[in-house]
Amino acid sequence: ELKVEQNPLFLSMQEGKNYTIYCNYSTTSDRLYWYRQDPGKSLESLFVLLSNGAVKQEGRLMASLDTKARLSTLHITAAVHDLSATYFCAVDTIIQGAQKLVFGQGTRLTINP
Amino acid sequence: ETGVTQTPRHLVMGMTNKKSLKCEQHLGHNAMYWYKQSAKKPLELMFVYNFKEQTENNSVPSRFSPECPNSSHLFLHLHTLQPEDSALYLCASSRRTGYGYTFGSGTRLTVV
Repeated sequence: ELKVEQNPLFLSMQEGKNYTIYCNYSTTSDRLYWYRQDPGKSLESLFVLLSNGAVKQEGRLMASLDTKARLSTLHITAAVHDLSATYFCAVDTIIQGAQKLVFGQGTRLTINP
Repeated sequence: ETGVTQTPRHLVMGMTNKKSLKCEQHLGHNAMYWYKQSAKKPLELMFVYNFKEQTENNSVPSRFSPECPNSSHLFLHLHTLQPEDSALYLCASSRRTGYGYTFGSGTRLTVV
């Protein structure tokens, strides 16, 4: 069974600080996604990581993928309040012949002024 | 708007009611999905449709019945639900299975 685990599940940080969210998964993956979800809203796609060593950056967020370690990270640089949300990683893989997107538990990020 | 529209946004229903959730996309995608998001669990895949054919039923109870009349529309018919079925139900679509998912805003379901 594919397991996707995020760490930490809750994160409260101050504006201006840096932090990293970790996503570990238990089997090989075709693609790894990072999503953002605001309360009561849908999932917004942030990054798709396709290969080992992939790094993508958008504003204050940077995502990386190490397929050998089965680890992805989402790094937040100089956090601002607008980044408060829940962040999910999701692994796209084939399970029993079917393509499936399996999500982590989510990391609820709160950024305080 | 993401291009995937779900209605209604909120639904309160009794355990004996029958209701349906609707999902619509005009992105030209061929695969559609239902996910359940509960308060204390990761997002759970419920059903997958590819070119209108159901390709995945992830051990979902029969009180949830999906329908996909065409590649643009997906329904989730609900009957005799339980309070533990209260959750956010998210619809998603992709050009083909396993590539480039777009999520709808979800239907917040409360079973009383």
